[in-house]
Amino acid sequence: NAGVTQTPKFQVLKTGQSMTLQCAQDMNHNSMYWYRQDPGMGLRLIYYSASEGTTDKGEVPNGYNVSRLNKREFSLRLESAAPSQTSVYFCASSLVGTQYFGPGTRLTVL
Amino acid sequence: DQQVKQNSPSLSVQEGRISILNCDYTNSMFDYFLWYKKYPAEGPTFLISISSIKDKNEDGRFTVFLNKSAKHLSLHIVPSQPGDSAVYFCLLTGGGADGLTFGKGTHLIIQP
Repeated sequence: NAGVTQTPKFQVLKTGQSMTLQCAQDMNHNSMYWYRQDPGMGLRLIYYSASEGTTDKGEVPNGYNVSRLNKREFSLRLESAAPSQTSVYFCASSLVGTQYFGPGTRLTVL
Repeated sequence: DQQVKQNSPSLSVQEGRISILNCDYTNSMFDYFLWYKKYPAEGPTFLISISSIKDKNEDGRFTVFLNKSAKHLSLHIVPSQPGDSAVYFCLLTGGGADGLTFGKGTHLIIQP
């Protein structure tokens, strides 16, 4: 089992560019999450999906959209990247309670 | 207003001694509490958890204590080992995904 995988590992964007961060899990978990982590901050929830076909906003959803493509995959899209979105992005999945995290995507917006 | 506080940004402990990491919260809605460990350039790794119906859970060198009346969660690591050097986050959950809140983390450094 690969667990939770994320692509890409690193990305540099210019302000205004768009991109999609991909996340997949092979643990048959119902729930999936996207977080961002900034220096000196804990992980903050951007969006989550409690089950296939549903998505909900978390604490910091502005500037992002998500798609729960199927049970395995949950993508995060930045339509028009801004320097404030420079961060490390983590995807996670859970069945009940415990969340399992991917390795992260380090995004820099110039 | 922070609902979850890890008041020590860093903690230095000698190898072999006990490490105690703390997490304080304000909201009684939290009912499931987790600790994660994070190395640089990696995702958080689940360590141990406890539900609100318990006050202690143990797994090898790791013990989590929950004091509901004081709204205080702690993680004890004994004996501390060099590989324990990492950032530790508490994650508190309750009331669905709206109630997911991470602490800001404590950087634990194990001195040889």
